[in-house]
Amino acid sequence: QQQVKQSPQSLIVQKGGISIINCAYENTAFDYFPWYQQFPGKGPALLIAIRPDVSEKKEGRFTISFNKSAKQFSLHIMDSQPGDSATYFCAASIGSGGSNYKLTFGKGTLLTVNP
Amino acid sequence: KAGVTQTPRYLIKTRGQQVTLSCSPISGHRSVSWYQQTPGQGLQFLFEYFSETQRNKGNFPGRFSGRQFSNSRSEMNVSTLELGDSALYLCASSQTLHEQYFGPGTRLTVT
Repeated sequence: QQQVKQSPQSLIVQKGGISIINCAYENTAFDYFPWYQQFPGKGPALLIAIRPDVSEKKEGRFTISFNKSAKQFSLHIMDSQPGDSATYFCAASIGSGGSNYKLTFGKGTLLTVNP
Repeated sequence: KAGVTQTPRYLIKTRGQQVTLSCSPISGHRSVSWYQQTPGQGLQFLFEYFSETQRNKGNFPGRFSGRQFSNSRSEMNVSTLELGDSALYLCASSQTLHEQYFGPGTRLTVT
């Protein structure tokens, strides 16, 4: 049972364009939604995260949009650069009952930004 | 601060053997989690330790075990290795609620 569904599996964007990656979750108890960026040979790096009490969070060129009623959240990368080419993972976790540190990940999106 | 370190970075083992992987968390972080990453299954949670106690466990067989020491360093052990255990094993440490920082991983190949 996949609790966090991520799409698309791969994405090709031109330099300067907008990259959009979507995730949907099933468990309404999730209350923390981070995005991770992973380069080949490296571990995932925390990019940006959001809690369900806000609908949008922006950090530089990266924005998370969150729709609690639809149980969906998405990552927007503005002015995409070749250096953004990586695999992106959405994730979710529950903040209570000792499950704080268990992240449930989406399957990942391989982003390629062409120069 | 130094990041999460994992040793060894690469490991080749034979079916039936056992392996121990090590993780040193970021200084001051008391929680350590382990994840398995494979192309087919993606990132899957193995277990999480806090103050030497296992607080959470994922859906993996008992061949996968771990422990945490008083200095927060952690080890995970896989016994009776199978070909399907070939994966990147990632350790993540955390200080505040939720935010986890990953190490570079240990690439385990089982032949």
